[in-house]
Amino acid sequence: EVQLVESGGGLVQPGGSLRLSCAASGFTFSGYWMTWVRQTPGTGLEWVASINEGGSEKYYLDSVKGRFTISRDNAKSSLFLQLNSLRVADTAVYYCGRGGRTKVSYWGHGALVTVSS
Amino acid sequence: DIQMTQSPSSLSASEGDRVTITCQASQDIRNHLNWYQQKPGRAPKLLIYDASTMHTGVPSRFSGSGSGTDFTFTISSLQPEDFATYYCQLYDGVAGLTFGGGTKVEIK
Repeated sequence: EVQLVESGGGLVQPGGSLRLSCAASGFTFSGYWMTWVRQTPGTGLEWVASINEGGSEKYYLDSVKGRFTISRDNAKSSLFLQLNSLRVADTAVYYCGRGGRTKVSYWGHGALVTVSS
Repeated sequence: DIQMTQSPSSLSASEGDRVTITCQASQDIRNHLNWYQQKPGRAPKLLIYDASTMHTGVPSRFSGSGSGTDFTFTISSLQPEDFATYYCQLYDGVAGLTFGGGTKVEIK
C-alpha cells in the first residue's frame, strides 16, 4: 500500500523558514517523480514544486522560485521542501504526492503551514 | 500559461442522479486532463487520468471524456459517499500542474 506521511508543519513568522518532510513507503520511491501541492480555503489546490526520479530536474511555481527548494533522499525514501522567506500568502496545507510530471497518483494527509506574526 | 475553467462551482443533487462537471482549457491540451475527488478534511484522490482512464480501484460509475479544450466528468448514479468536491487538473509539460477551481457536490 502506498503511504506518504508529511511532517514539519507549524506556525512561523513572516520571513521565517520551515522544512517539510515526506516519508514514503509501499513503492519504489526512486522510480517516481514527486511533488508538493498546497491548498488554502480561498485558492483551492495549487501545484508548488516537482522533482524527477534522480533529483536532477526541479520545477517550481513562479511565486515560490528562489524561496522554496524541493529535494529528495532516495536512500531514505524521503521528499523534502525547504521553505524560506515565508509570506502570509504561503499559509496552506502542503501535500506530498507521488508523481507530478502529469498527475499526482497518491497523496499524503497534508501538513499545515501557518505564517503569521 | 494555459487557463482552466471548471463549472459549475457547486451543485445540488440527489442519490441516484446523474451528475456532470465540465472543464474548459484555454488552448488545446489533447487528453492531458485528470480528475480528483476530495472529501472534507481529507487529501484529494485521483479518479480519472488522461481524460478518460480510470485510476486503480475507482468505481465504474465515474467516467471522463473529451479532448482538445473541452472535458466532461460524469457520475452515472450518485452514491452517498460521492458527496465531495471534484477538481480537474491539466498538464502541458512545461508549467507544472494546473488545477481547476473545484465543484462542490452537495446533497439536495
